[in-house]
Amino acid sequence: QVQLVESGGGVVQPGGSLRLSCAASGFTFSRNAMHWVRQAPGKGLEWVAFIGYDGRKQSYADSVKGRFTISRDTSKNTLFLQMNTLTPEDTAVYYCAKAVGGSNWADFDYWGQGTLVSVSS
Amino acid sequence: QTVVTQEPSLTVSPGGTVTLTCASSTGAVTSGFFPDWFQQKPGQAPRSLIYSANNKHSWTPARFSGSLLGGKAALTLSGVQPEDEAEYYCLLYSAGAWVFGGGTKLTVL
Repeated sequence: QVQLVESGGGVVQPGGSLRLSCAASGFTFSRNAMHWVRQAPGKGLEWVAFIGYDGRKQSYADSVKGRFTISRDTSKNTLFLQMNTLTPEDTAVYYCAKAVGGSNWADFDYWGQGTLVSVSS
Repeated sequence: QTVVTQEPSLTVSPGGTVTLTCASSTGAVTSGFFPDWFQQKPGQAPRSLIYSANNKHSWTPARFSGSLLGGKAALTLSGVQPEDEAEYYCLLYSAGAWVFGGGTKLTVL
């Protein structure tokens, strides 16, 4: 069965960096686009970043552009989110999500359980 | 940037029918926006329900259906169950980015 397991969250000071990972299993990782989505405490969902199945295409929300980088390692079936210059507004649960796959890169199907990032001094 | 608008809250009686909508600030929502719908219960990760406006995942209960209605994406629940009480989010793709709506809190009462 499809599993997405996020890790790497924690407490970090403003201005600091953190790298999140999402370990994927149960599907052909190299054939699926992937996303990161976040949810601040008590707030709604916010799309963060997208990466194409082969890693060649990425896109970012304006709120993280220039600070966050999405990447993937097909040999390890793992998705990453490098987060730099963090601010308290980046405090959230971060979810990885899988695109439906095949020719469908735009729709979502499976989600991980999330990892909490807290930016505080 | 595109703003996606949903009803903040709706209330429905058990067994009833309710329609949630999702509008784009850029104009009519079409299939090219790849409208998706998600359900989220407190303390849980979101769960995908509908993709590309009207397609169900294998796990989506039959009482959920998606459509394009009057220039908006719509999610209809028919024969609502108590366990359908949750927050529902729509998601639209536009110009290389994805945007979530603010969510609709559905109360079953």
